[in-house]
Amino acid sequence: TQLLEQSPQFLSIQEGENLTVYCNSSSVFSSLQWYRQEPGEGPVLLVTVVTGGEVKKLKRLTFQFGDARKDSSLHITAAQPGDTGLYLCPGTSYGKLTFGQGTILTVHP
Amino acid sequence: DTGVSQDPRHKITKRGQNVTFRCDPISEHNRLYWYRQTLGQGPEFLTYFQNEAQLEKSRLLSDRFSAERPKGSFSTLEIQRTEQGDSAMYLCASTTALAGPNEQFFGPGTRLTVL
Repeated sequence: TQLLEQSPQFLSIQEGENLTVYCNSSSVFSSLQWYRQEPGEGPVLLVTVVTGGEVKKLKRLTFQFGDARKDSSLHITAAQPGDTGLYLCPGTSYGKLTFGQGTILTVHP
Repeated sequence: DTGVSQDPRHKITKRGQNVTFRCDPISEHNRLYWYRQTLGQGPEFLTYFQNEAQLEKSRLLSDRFSAERPKGSFSTLEIQRTEQGDSAMYLCASTTALAGPNEQFFGPGTRLTVL
């Protein structure tokens, strides 16, 4: 069973600050997705990374996949209140997504 | 492509009542998943369908829960004799072999409150 750990669990920052959240797994990811979930809504897919060492950018968000494909980071530059939400990086087992608790990010104006 | 839709968005019911939720996946997505999410937790897998076949059910899915996807398109999740512990967000997701690896696309969820 793949064990997932996301850190920090909670992050509260001011608008304009930079931040990084982390996702670590006990086993290799075949691929890794990052999702953001706003209160009362379903998770929204942000990115998929597949290759070890891969870096993808989505506007102010930078996603990095570890060389060994067991960890990933999400860096947000100049955070905005619209970035507030629960960030999730599920593992996959036979097509099912397995979620950890995620990182709850709050960006204050 | 209008995305995954779920109905209703909110449901309040009394303990012991039956409830049914509907999920309409993205058209031509042959795989459909149900997840449950309680406050402060990530979603937990309940069951999934490939076309009309229900291929796996989680141990979380007690006998009071049943899911169907009769024509391989929309799906329903029924909870019989609801209990207060069933209060949660019920999420539906769909995907296809043509999507990126392990990518699933979620609906907005149905928030169930059992009084």
